[in-house]
Amino acid sequence: GENVEQHPSTLSVQEGDSAVIKCTYSDSASNYFPWYKQELGKGPQLIIDIRSNVGEKKDQRIAVTLNKTAKHFSLHITETQPEDSAVYFCAASTYQGAQKLVFGQGTRLTINP
Amino acid sequence: NAGVTQTPKFRVLKTGQSMTLLCAQDMNHEYMYWYRQDPGMGLRLIHYSVGEGTTAKGEVPDGYNVSRLKKQNFLLGLESAAPSQTSVYFCASSYPGQGTEGYTFGSGTRLTVV
Repeated sequence: GENVEQHPSTLSVQEGDSAVIKCTYSDSASNYFPWYKQELGKGPQLIIDIRSNVGEKKDQRIAVTLNKTAKHFSLHITETQPEDSAVYFCAASTYQGAQKLVFGQGTRLTINP
Repeated sequence: NAGVTQTPKFRVLKTGQSMTLLCAQDMNHEYMYWYRQDPGMGLRLIHYSVGEGTTAKGEVPDGYNVSRLKKQNFLLGLESAAPSQTSVYFCASSYPGQGTEGYTFGSGTRLTVV
């Protein structure tokens, strides 16, 4: 089955700097790669996703890149703000009658003022 | 819209006790899922359902049972709780089909088994 590895487990950056979180996946059949943000005491919330037929996707200050050959994808957050502090999860899946996401271990991002 | 609602939010069980976690969604989603979240391990799929009356096993199904008698509800049962089931449980729902895969998660149930 699919296995998703996420790095780093913790990341601390200065406000205004950029943050990058990386994930690798094992199943070359995976074709959907979402990123979730989880704030303290809340459930994960989808912030951006990408499909295997696209190499990059942007939404304001966040972007995701996908390298199918290397089987890795990354989340980029630019001009970080204190409200970006949270735990971020990557995930991968193949649509096989159900969209069963396999999640990475999570990255705790701290934005220092 | 309330989205996905989980009850209860917190619960402490003694080893061997049973309980049911309730998940309700008001978005008319076909698919529903139960995940558990443990430190350093991300979220792992316990069971899922692709429609009313259907359920299937996920990655870590042992010790849990589920039922989907109504489209909007997905119940997770622990028949005989064990300390290893101490975790935060999240329910999620989604539409079927590519292009609508994004999950909507509930706010979680924190379960402690002593």
